[in-house]
Amino acid sequence: GAGVSQSPSNKVTEKGKDVELRCDPISGHTALYWYRQSLGQGLEFLIYFQGNSAPDKSGLPSDRFSAERTGGSVSTLTIQRTQQEDSAVYLCASSPRRGSYNSPLHFGNGTRLTVT
Amino acid sequence: KNEVEQSPQNLTAQEGEFITINCSYSVGISALHWLQQHPGGGIVSLFMLSSGKKKHGRLIATINIQEKHSSLHITASHPRDSAVYICAVSGGSEKLVFGKGTKLTVNP
Repeated sequence: GAGVSQSPSNKVTEKGKDVELRCDPISGHTALYWYRQSLGQGLEFLIYFQGNSAPDKSGLPSDRFSAERTGGSVSTLTIQRTQQEDSAVYLCASSPRRGSYNSPLHFGNGTRLTVT
Repeated sequence: KNEVEQSPQNLTAQEGEFITINCSYSVGISALHWLQQHPGGGIVSLFMLSSGKKKHGRLIATINIQEKHSSLHITASHPRDSAVYICAVSGGSEKLVFGKGTKLTVNP
């Protein structure tokens, strides 16, 4: 079956513009995660969804970042008033059940965001 | 100090060599993940373990909970093993904490 799908694969935007990044998890996966990988840095956790609710948003770096998930499926990460430091690869992962500690994660190929 | 430290940062090997990548962590964990990231950026989950040892093909992962240390071994390395290997730990929440990765290059 299909894996985790992210779109767009690349996005170049001007500073100050809003962007939306989309993630289609594997069908039936209830847990969904967003991560960010900045150049030369490790992956950092942004937000976790279980179904449509987000019990852990602690990794969102500022109130310019928000995310939602609808129908227990597709998720959208929105960055408002983008800044150059937002440039990174944004990765989505899904898991068949609750808990990154009891099931492996399935990653998408990421969206490379460049803010000019 | 990062909660998850990997060593070495970079590793170059000749095809056929036995490879070891190390991961040390400073927090109590529920599980440790080893991930592989290829040059194109895609990430694949290799192992998830909370104790002992797991083997998949030429890859072996071990964890010592008391010493807060895990190793990833690759036997009979091949150029297609060239990738960044990432260690990540979960303390029982959903928030994985990642190491910075080990870049492995296997030359033919």
